[in-house]
Amino acid sequence: GEDVEQSLFLSVREGDSSVINCTYTDSSSTYLYWYKQEPGAGLQLLTYIFSNMDMKQDQRLTVLLNKKDKHLSLRIADTQTGDSAIYFCAESMGYGGSQGNLIFGKGTKLSVKP
Amino acid sequence: GAGVSQTPSNKVTEKGKYVELRCDPISGHTALYWYRQSLGQGPEFLIYFQGTGAADDSGLPNDRFFAVRPEGSVSTLKIQRTERGDSAVYLCASSLRGRPGANVLTFGAGSRLTVL
Repeated sequence: GEDVEQSLFLSVREGDSSVINCTYTDSSSTYLYWYKQEPGAGLQLLTYIFSNMDMKQDQRLTVLLNKKDKHLSLRIADTQTGDSAIYFCAESMGYGGSQGNLIFGKGTKLSVKP
Repeated sequence: GAGVSQTPSNKVTEKGKYVELRCDPISGHTALYWYRQSLGQGPEFLIYFQGTGAADDSGLPNDRFFAVRPEGSVSTLKIQRTERGDSAVYLCASSLRGRPGANVLTFGAGSRLTVL
């Protein structure tokens, strides 16, 4: 069955880079996603990557995908206190209309200290 | 609407009562999802609608849970004979599923259900 695993906590200092890691078990994953959840708010999509890519960069965010090891990471450059939140890794399988539903990890709580 | 709207934002009920949670998706989004998020956990899939029909209800935990989307827009999640273990945040999301590319879900803020 599908399983997505993340470390539960990460603490960094403001201005440093944060790296949040995720592993998944299903090799048929086609898209992998990073969502952010702030207290009392819904999940906000940050970025996603197609499984035939190994890197995607979007401003301060860099996603690295190692499909062989089924490992995904999210790097946040110049981390700010406003980045403090829970970050969820998620996967989906299939293409286009046959894409499956998202399977989420338990989330990594990022704490940014000033 | 501009975003996914969920009501109520908070619901406190007693064990054994019936509860309805409502979701108003983004206008034009054909796909609608219900997820449940327990404390300290990631969202867990419950049910997915494509249009009016439930295309996948494999995540519903038991027959006390039921959801409808009669006109292909607003959806209601119904929970009968609530139990304390049903306490969670119920998240609704919508997407333009079926398009090429990633299945980008837009989530609502959730309905927090507390069963006493």
